[in-house]
Amino acid sequence: DTEVTQTPKHLVMGMTNKKSLKCEQHMGHRAMYWYKQKAKKPPELMFVYSYEKLSINESVPSRFSPECPNSSLLNLHLHALQPEDSALYLCASSQDRLTGTQYFGPGTRLLVL
Amino acid sequence: ILNVEQSPQSLHVQEGDSTNFTCSFPSSNFYALHWYRWETAKSPEALFVMTLNGDEKKKGRISATLNTKEGYSYLYIKGSQPEDSATYLCAFASSNTGKLIFGQGTTLQVKP
Repeated sequence: DTEVTQTPKHLVMGMTNKKSLKCEQHMGHRAMYWYKQKAKKPPELMFVYSYEKLSINESVPSRFSPECPNSSLLNLHLHALQPEDSALYLCASSQDRLTGTQYFGPGTRLLVL
Repeated sequence: ILNVEQSPQSLHVQEGDSTNFTCSFPSSNFYALHWYRWETAKSPEALFVMTLNGDEKKKGRISATLNTKEGYSYLYIKGSQPEDSATYLCAFASSNTGKLIFGQGTTLQVKP
């Protein structure tokens, strides 16, 4: 099973809402990633978890809060977002942080009103 | 700032044509170069991971080459088919950080 699943597929939220994005993999991978992708731009790294510990935070605003409850799950908690945060949020996983292919989920399309 | 550039930005070809795209990346602190294919509404799919200068990889009609000294990789598609229509992304992995830096992609449209 080389699948990374993400829920929900689409999310519309207001600027005062709190919501969470979820990502799951069952490949035994120890590194998991959140990327943000705006239209016609490349995916941009937000966070990296390695062995369930946050190892990279790319200076992401605190209104995005990642969480890795266990080695298979990765959440992204959203609070007080801005319209410019509307984007596709991609989750990925890999064997470990430094080597190997990253396997991506299909993404969550987020619209902030 | 690490820049990964892909060209062309988009490409329209007829079924049966062969095509190629370029990915340029920094020639220092090289760890790996990844190629992904991303079809609309699907997950990006890994095609190749290349680590050694002079590497050539092949998967069916798709192949890729790597030149780490001059900082470029080519992706070739032989006899393009409509199902090859997708955005092809390359990503540079730095030995400093291990992070993937993506190019903007080349969007290929193959007309039947």
